[in-house]
Amino acid sequence: QKEVEQDPGPLSVPEGAIVSLNCTYSNSAFQYFMWYRQYSRKGPELLMYTYSSGNKEDGRFTAQVDKSSKYISLFIRDSQPSDSATYLCAMSLDTGRRALTFGSGTRLQVQP
Amino acid sequence: GAGVSQSPSNKVTEKGKDVELRCDPISGHTALYWYRQSLGQGLEFLIYFQGNSAPDKSGLPSDRFSAERTGGSVSTLTIQRTQQEDSAVYLCASSLNWRILLGETQYFGPGTRLLVL
Repeated sequence: QKEVEQDPGPLSVPEGAIVSLNCTYSNSAFQYFMWYRQYSRKGPELLMYTYSSGNKEDGRFTAQVDKSSKYISLFIRDSQPSDSATYLCAMSLDTGRRALTFGSGTRLQVQP
Repeated sequence: GAGVSQSPSNKVTEKGKDVELRCDPISGHTALYWYRQSLGQGLEFLIYFQGNSAPDKSGLPSDRFSAERTGGSVSTLTIQRTQQEDSAVYLCASSLNWRILLGETQYFGPGTRLLVL
């Protein structure tokens, strides 16, 4: 079983919809949680990062972390065609190795 | 300023040949990571350099893989005797330092697409 599970999609929504992307994880030691966006043939770019549990909002994006359930979410409000990309969740420990553990990514398509 | 750059952007090689992939991190970034992204898979950690410390090689899949970082800047990932299962996108990332708590997260390059025939 993978440490981080993420539904690969694809997820297709109409423009303006609210999008919900999720990951579950098994390692309770993860403390840092991130969402990356990756356009085709590009490297991932950081969207949001959260330390421990809680919510964080940035414009149309909201990240939620529920450590008790080992579940993280990314919400995109008023989705746009330009949001069409693969969204990767990633997480890291507080100490020791700093490398990120990634989910496999969810491909999102926002239809105009 | 300039982001992380990688070269070549694409590499096609024959099974059994050696390949070298290059990463130029963002100037001043002390931490450098290599990841591999196979088709339909998430990013898989390979190796991590932090300043002058010994690298964390725990993610290297076999002894055919090695990496070095010269002068604390440019890094080269070498794959010897390539196999078809090595075909993937190899991504490099750098960060100011390892303290993610300060928001100094990893910035990724565009990757090198390796195809082993």
